[in-house]
Amino acid sequence: LAKTTQPISMDSYEGQEVNITCSHNNIATNDYITWYQQFPSQGPRFIIQGYKTKVTNEVASLFIPADRKSSTLSLPRVSLSDTAVYYCLVGDKNYGGATNKLIFGTGTLLAVQP
Amino acid sequence: DADVTQTPRNRITKTGKRIMLECSQTKGHDRMYWYRQDPGLGLQLIYYSFDVKDINKGEISDGYSVSRQAQAKFSLSLESAIPNQTALYFCATSDLPRAGGSSNTGELFFGEGSRLTVL
Repeated sequence: LAKTTQPISMDSYEGQEVNITCSHNNIATNDYITWYQQFPSQGPRFIIQGYKTKVTNEVASLFIPADRKSSTLSLPRVSLSDTAVYYCLVGDKNYGGATNKLIFGTGTLLAVQP
Repeated sequence: DADVTQTPRNRITKTGKRIMLECSQTKGHDRMYWYRQDPGLGLQLIYYSFDVKDINKGEISDGYSVSRQAQAKFSLSLESAIPNQTALYFCATSDLPRAGGSSNTGELFFGEGSRLTVL
């Protein structure tokens, strides 16, 4: 089961681009990379998912290098409301079993200041 | 109404008591999960179920049991609650079918959480 490592916390200012990197050295061939956002006392919310290269949606971009041993979540022009914990998950979404446990780490607390 | 509903939202109980947290979903998903979150920490997986007859232990299943009464219902029980089980508990569903092989993302949909305090 691929373990992920993220920075514990990051600080930013409103309007800046924020990049949060996640290491997953043991990622398996069938594993996807998924990022979630969590506000205090709420359940996490899906942000973005990717397998390789770059994925972009209306809220974020996900960059995955060719070796897939890391990934970077990019949040453009953050605002105060982006202050939250961000989790990186790695798992095989296509089959049952242990690789589908969807394990959360401790995440990265992003603090956005005015 | 929320797609994933947890009851109770808040509960205070005493050491040794049996407590059940219930989760129901209207999303029609096969896969359901129970997570626990302690203050300042990430989520830890307690149990997960891919269908009514398929229940699996997660990272921290000791002291917990579950029941998948129907596709829509997944209950978590603490047979004899202890203070270090004080935490925020989340139920979640996933949009993947039980056998996988889908183009869906496997996105997790969480309930609003159940805050449990064991005195």
